[in-house]
Amino acid sequence: QQQVKQSPQSLIVQKGGISIINCAYENTAFDYFPWYQQFPGKGPALLIAIRPDVSEKKEGRFTISFNKSAKQFSLHIMDSQPGDSATYFCAASLVGGGNEKLTFGTGTRLTIIP
Amino acid sequence: ETGVTQSPTHLIKTRGQQVTLRCSSQSGHNTVSWYQQALGQGPQFIFQYYREEENGRGNFPPRFSGLQFPNYSSELNVNALELDDSALYLCASSLAVLGASTDTQYFGPGTRLTVL
Repeated sequence: QQQVKQSPQSLIVQKGGISIINCAYENTAFDYFPWYQQFPGKGPALLIAIRPDVSEKKEGRFTISFNKSAKQFSLHIMDSQPGDSATYFCAASLVGGGNEKLTFGTGTRLTIIP
Repeated sequence: ETGVTQSPTHLIKTRGQQVTLRCSSQSGHNTVSWYQQALGQGPQFIFQYYREEENGRGNFPPRFSGLQFPNYSSELNVNALELDDSALYLCASSLAVLGASTDTQYFGPGTRLTVL
């Protein structure tokens, strides 16, 4: 059972454009939603995260939009740069429940072209 | 501040063998989680250790086992290796306070295991 669905699988965006990656979750008990960035041969690095008590969180060029009723959240990368080319994973977890495993989406390979 | 480190970087084993992967947590962290990442997929949760005790397990068979040591370093052991065990194995450390974990998990670079 895939509890976090991520789309698109791959994305090509022109430099300076906006990259948008979407995720949907099933478990309404999830209360922590991070996005990770992974470069080839490296482990995932935390990019930005949100709790369901807010609808949007912005850190620099990265913004998470969260829709609790629709059980969806998305990552927006403004002014996309070639250095942003990487694989992005959304994830979800329960915090404080004693078993804080992250459930990941399947990933989006983002390519920023000049 | 020291980040999460893993060893070895790469490993090649044959089917039926046993393997041990190692992880050193980020300084100050007391919880470690292990994930398996197959090629082109998202990481899958294997198990988590807190204060040297297993604290949750994903859908992996008992031949996947782990240890956490008093210094919070950790090992992942896999017995009777199968071809499908070929993957990137990631450990992630976090800080739990009074049994309730904080939300941020920091990942190491991973160990690439190839089973032939």
